Amino acid sequence: DAEITQSPRHKITETGRQVTLACHQTWNHNNMFWYRQDLGHGLRLIHYSYGVQDTNKGEVSDGYSVSRSNTEDLPLTLESAASSQTSVYFCASSELAGGTNTGELFFGEGSRLTVL
Amino acid sequence: GQSLEQPSEVTAVEGAIVQINCTYQTSGFYGLSWYQQHDGGAPTFLSYNALDGLEETGRFSSFLSRSDSYGYLLLQELQMKDSASYFCAVRAGGFKTIFGAGTRLFVKA
Repeated sequence: DAEITQSPRHKITETGRQVTLACHQTWNHNNMFWYRQDLGHGLRLIHYSYGVQDTNKGEVSDGYSVSRSNTEDLPLTLESAASSQTSVYFCASSELAGGTNTGELFFGEGSRLTVL
Repeated sequence: GQSLEQPSEVTAVEGAIVQINCTYQTSGFYGLSWYQQHDGGAPTFLSYNALDGLEETGRFSSFLSRSDSYGYLLLQELQMKDSASYFCAVRAGGFKTIFGAGTRLFVKA
């Protein structure tokens, strides 16, 4: 069965360190997204990609970067982790289609990051 | 700016009907989606409305009024397992999806 997996599921790091969260999907979806989820804020879009070599900034992109070298993976990098980046991070993908496509997002199980 | 407003909490009794409202203000609009998320889990897709009207999927229905920038999710015959957070989300510009802050539904016996 197709799926979307994130790793690590839990990580504790220190302020100033570089952290990379991995996201791998086997849906063969062109669209991939990174969200962070914090209490009271719902899911906020960090970065997204519509295909290989395409990346775009979302609502809360400062301090984060992504790269898309193949269809399956969209790693999220925190260049210099800050305590404000303590959050649960969700990766999602959706198929590329027009017409009545719902844009349904398929989410990974999330990565809980704590920055001390 | 872009904003989606929904109640933070709703409580209802098992077997009852509950409606979760959502109003939105976004720079682009292709459709309104609803997602369910249980504690510790990932959001899962429930429904999508691109046109005005009611869409029904089993015990869940979703409504959209584009002229009012308003939609709602209707849950019927509530069950304990429906206790979860529910998010409205706007597909705004291409395939980018913006989420509301979520409504936590408590179902009581």
